[in-house]
Amino acid sequence: DGGITQSPKYLFRKEGQNVTLSCEQNLNHDAMYWYRQDPGQGLRLIYYSQIVNDFQKGDIAEGYSVSREKKESFPLTVTSAQKNPTAFYLCASSPDRDNWGYTFGSGTRLTVV
Amino acid sequence: EDQVTQSPEALRLQEGESSSLNCSYTVSGLRGLFWYRQDPGKGPEFLFTLYSAGEEKEKERLKATLTKKESFLHITAPKPEDSATYLCAVQASGMGTGGFKTIFGAGTRLFVKA
Repeated sequence: DGGITQSPKYLFRKEGQNVTLSCEQNLNHDAMYWYRQDPGQGLRLIYYSQIVNDFQKGDIAEGYSVSREKKESFPLTVTSAQKNPTAFYLCASSPDRDNWGYTFGSGTRLTVV
Repeated sequence: EDQVTQSPEALRLQEGESSSLNCSYTVSGLRGLFWYRQDPGKGPEFLFTLYSAGEEKEKERLKATLTKKESFLHITAPKPEDSATYLCAVQASGMGTGGFKTIFGAGTRLFVKA
C-alpha cells in the first residue's frame, strides 16, 4: 500500500540532545511537509520541500533542520536550540506544491525528559 | 490577520442526532478549503476539498458546504465510529513563500455516544 511512514511513534529527548524524526513516502509525491501539532492549536508548518535538494522554512523553523537528499525521504532534526520541542509531529506529502490534498503520516510524539 | 476558526471546540451527540461543525475564515484570495478527520494519536485523513462558494461534497454521513466566509461539515445520523477530531484548513494565495499558504484551524472534537 502506498503511504507515508513516520518513525519512531514515540521519542524521548533529553535536554541538550538533537533527535531526528524519520519520514518516508512511496507515493512518488514531489512535495513534502513537516507540521507541528499542539493541543488547542492548528497545525503549524515547520519546513517544506518541493523538490529534491531544496527546502523552505515554514512559520516555525527556528530550532529545526531538514534535508531532502532523496524524493522518498524528508527527515526532521529537532535541535537543542528548540526550547519547547514537546509536541506531536506530522509529516505530509502532496503530488506537487499546487496539489492540495495532503496525505499525512501517523505522527511522532516527542517528549522532553 | 488571516485566520481560520472552528466551532465548537467539542461536540457531544447521541447516536442518530444530526448536527453541524463550523469553519469560519478570514483570508484574501481563497484557493481551496479542506476538511480532514483525525483519530487520537494518528495523522489526519483527507475528507474533502471545496473550491468555490456554493460547492457541496458528500461522503457517507458527511456533507461539506462552502460560502464566502465559512464552511459547514454536516453529520447526518452519526454513529459512534464518527467520533474523531475534524480539522479545517484554508489555502489562500499571495500570503507567503511560493505564493500561497495553508492555515489550519484548531479542530472540533466530536463524541458520538451509542
